[in-house]
Amino acid sequence: DQQVKQNSPSLSVQEGRISILNCDYTNSMFDYFLWYKKYPAEGPTFLISISSIKDKNEDGRFTVFLNKSAKHLSLHIVPSQPGDSAVYFCAASGYSSASKIIFGSGTRLSIRP
Amino acid sequence: DGGITQSPKYLFRKEGQNVTLSCEQNLNHDAMYWYRQDPGQGLRLIYYSQIVNDFQKGDIAEGYSVSREKKESFPLTVTSAQKNPTAFYLCASSPGPGQPQHFGDGTRLSIL
Repeated sequence: DQQVKQNSPSLSVQEGRISILNCDYTNSMFDYFLWYKKYPAEGPTFLISISSIKDKNEDGRFTVFLNKSAKHLSLHIVPSQPGDSAVYFCAASGYSSASKIIFGSGTRLSIRP
Repeated sequence: DGGITQSPKYLFRKEGQNVTLSCEQNLNHDAMYWYRQDPGQGLRLIYYSQIVNDFQKGDIAEGYSVSREKKESFPLTVTSAQKNPTAFYLCASSPGPGQPQHFGDGTRLSIL
């Protein structure tokens, strides 16, 4: 029973264009969402987060959108750069839960020249 | 330069053997975690600890054991009871519950 789903295992985007990575969740108790980026043979690194009181959070080229009614969030990267090629994990947690963060299965983003 | 150190990077285990994966952090974080990653899957929580001398089972704790005797250290033992131990193991820490986690670079465990 996957509580956090990333239905696209891979995505290819041309350099300079917008990359949109999607994530769906099923647990309405989740109120804090995170995106992590992972390069091969390395641990994930925290990218950006959003709490359920917001519907948008922006940090440079990265913007996360949250649609609570649809239980959907997305990560926009614009413009996409070659160094953005990595696996992106969506994750969710509830402030009331005992510090457990639930991760999605990841989307591999490839930026082509 | 603070961070999380996992060792070794690669580990081989014989059938029936227990092995221990090391995780050390110097970030002064209270909470530490162990995850397992299999191909095509997300990170699955094995064990976590919110404070020294306390830990809880995650979603896939069977065949694993942990200890948290020091704030900086959270070693994971993969026991012979774990029937499918081949995977990439990630250790993480965070300042507190639900806060972004910092990850080590992982240990890849293989069975000989």
